[in-house]
Amino acid sequence: QLQLQESGPGLVKPSETLSLTCTVASASVSSSDYSWGWIRQPPGKGLEWIGTIYHTGTSHYNPSLKGRLTISVDTSKNQFSLKLTSVTAAETAAYYCAGHPSFCANGVCFTRYFESWGQGILVTVSS
Amino acid sequence: DIVMTQSPDSLGVSLGERATINCKSSLSVLYSSKNKDYLAWYQQKPGQPPKLLIYGASTRKSGVPDRFSGSGSGTDFNLTISSLQAEDVAVYYCQQYYSTPPTFGQGTKLEIK
Repeated sequence: QLQLQESGPGLVKPSETLSLTCTVASASVSSSDYSWGWIRQPPGKGLEWIGTIYHTGTSHYNPSLKGRLTISVDTSKNQFSLKLTSVTAAETAAYYCAGHPSFCANGVCFTRYFESWGQGILVTVSS
Repeated sequence: DIVMTQSPDSLGVSLGERATINCKSSLSVLYSSKNKDYLAWYQQKPGQPPKLLIYGASTRKSGVPDRFSGSGSGTDFNLTISSLQAEDVAVYYCQQYYSTPPTFGQGTKLEIK
């Protein structure tokens, strides 16, 4: 069973950059068995996929966030990270990292179901 | 994007009774060449992250009690709890992974009647 833990600031000012890190235990972020994703959940609301970085190094981002989002992997620390620029108050949410299987063929990868989740971190966007 | 719609939004069921949650997708999530539906179900208890219950529409994740079952194909799916236990009180979500972006239903809140 994968173990994941999110870390980062719980408060970000509007228009600034939200930066979170997910530390993975019991598996390598370089493993071809997993890809790594971020999902968020505004208080009292449903789930929204943010993006995924695949074991091939490629990534997919939610089109609604395109241009503001970067997901990267740090193999030396066995972590992956999210950076979301120009945040607004509407992006106040619990942010979850997840490990999941993926399917890649002909250089294109696809996210599957989210097998293991971190505990989540509440990020409030407010001045 | 594929829109996932769950019904009902909330459901009250007596202990030991059957609970059924429906999920409909705006497009078929059946990958015909593999004869697999790309549909997952999650359980989320208050203050906790979602927990994967079922994938491939009907395959239970290892360790999930067999009172949980998934059925359906194409655009119409059900999650059934055969005999509701107190610990099953939660919000349940469906998710399609047939196309990017993966999308979730709005959630169904399951309570004890």
